[in-house]
Amino acid sequence: GEDVEQSLFLSVREGDSSVINCTYTDSSSTYLYWYKQEPGAGLQLLTYIFSNMDMKQDQRLTVLLNKKDKHLSLRIADTQTGDSAIYFCAGLNTGGFKTIFGAGTRLFVKA
Amino acid sequence: DGGITQSPKYLFRKEGQNVTLSCEQNLNHDAMYWYRQDPGQGLRLIYYSQIVNDFQKGDIAEGYSVSREKKESFPLTVTSAQKNPTAFYLCASSMPGQNNEQFFGPGTRLTVL
Repeated sequence: GEDVEQSLFLSVREGDSSVINCTYTDSSSTYLYWYKQEPGAGLQLLTYIFSNMDMKQDQRLTVLLNKKDKHLSLRIADTQTGDSAIYFCAGLNTGGFKTIFGAGTRLFVKA
Repeated sequence: DGGITQSPKYLFRKEGQNVTLSCEQNLNHDAMYWYRQDPGQGLRLIYYSQIVNDFQKGDIAEGYSVSREKKESFPLTVTSAQKNPTAFYLCASSMPGQNNEQFFGPGTRLTVL
């Protein structure tokens, strides 16, 4: 079935760049998303990319999409301690209604 | 302010009791969803509703029930048939047809003793 996989942990130093990677199986996903979850809270959409794009930049965030390899990445430039959170990769399934979420990558930012 | 609310934030119940989690949105969204979050497993879809008076089972619907009598409300009942109900429950809503961004509530942490 449809699946989204991502590594569970990433640790970086404050000021460095963070790169969170994700692979997905549904090649027909029209939208791919990155959501952020603060401790004990719900998820918030950080950014998304449409499947016909290769890259999207939004301030400190850069999303890269490699459709051939079904690989999505999120780069956070100049990572701050406030960026510490869980980041979920997700894809809108072929039917266009269900969103499939990965397990989340917990980002630790060391001061 | 438009948003999606869940109550209560924390809920404790004894084993064998049914419990209902509330979810309300004033975003005028057609679609609503319930997810369960367990450590290291991401979000798993329990039920979803595309429109009032209609809902479908998600990937882990056993032991849960929902209703959608009003557009704004999508309560989830965790029944005694759910074998491992202790988890963090998230409700979300979206307006299909756009980028299908989902707006999440703050979650309810259910602990069954």
